[in-house]
Amino acid sequence: GESVGLHLPTLSVQEGDNSIINCAYSNSASDYFIWYKQESGKGPQFIIDIRSNMDKRQGQRVTVLLNKTVKHLSLQIAATQPGDSAVYFCAENYSGTYKYIFGTGTRLKVLA
Amino acid sequence: EAGVVQSPRYKIIEKKQPVAFWCNPISGHNTLYWYRQNLGQGPELLIRYENEEAVDDSQLPKDRFSAERLKGVDSTLKIQPAELGDSAVYLCASSRRTGAGEKLFFGSGTQLSVL
Repeated sequence: GESVGLHLPTLSVQEGDNSIINCAYSNSASDYFIWYKQESGKGPQFIIDIRSNMDKRQGQRVTVLLNKTVKHLSLQIAATQPGDSAVYFCAENYSGTYKYIFGTGTRLKVLA
Repeated sequence: EAGVVQSPRYKIIEKKQPVAFWCNPISGHNTLYWYRQNLGQGPELLIRYENEEAVDDSQLPKDRFSAERLKGVDSTLKIQPAELGDSAVYLCASSRRTGAGEKLFFGSGTQLSVL
């Protein structure tokens, strides 16, 4: 059953709609960012990354947007599918280090 | 290519007992991380290795936690003695060391329950 992330913010979307998951990062010196997807009972799975010299990057059905001015990151999922239901984390990498700091996560629920 | 492999997947122990977790990183990945993930939260770093050297263990509770990566490949994380508050998922991750800002790949984790 669902036991992970009982107190996480939750985003519910209809199947086929687009999803937007937001993340505020903490360090203005961070220069590399990753979005992870974590299904119940599994480790975080890499989705897409972006470096600070870019403000947008697209993958298959996913787009990451980076706004360095307000230290904001977003993950857009097009045509959301039931298999997209999971907890999504953003991670920031402090410039020049191997230190990755994770946000608290957002639970995405896809409604049929 | 095999991913990061962790074992066991689940562990249930009584408080004050010892416990150990094992991790085999992706082949060729010099950097290995141990993270702890509490319920409803993101992963928090415990320790990072560059080959066999622990280069960042500032978050590791050294009174009861220890880790090793003797040959610069596999790693073990140990807790002795375990406390109730240690119940969490322990995640291992690895990356290549070609420069800061490399993709971090995770294993499935070990879910620890301390009773």
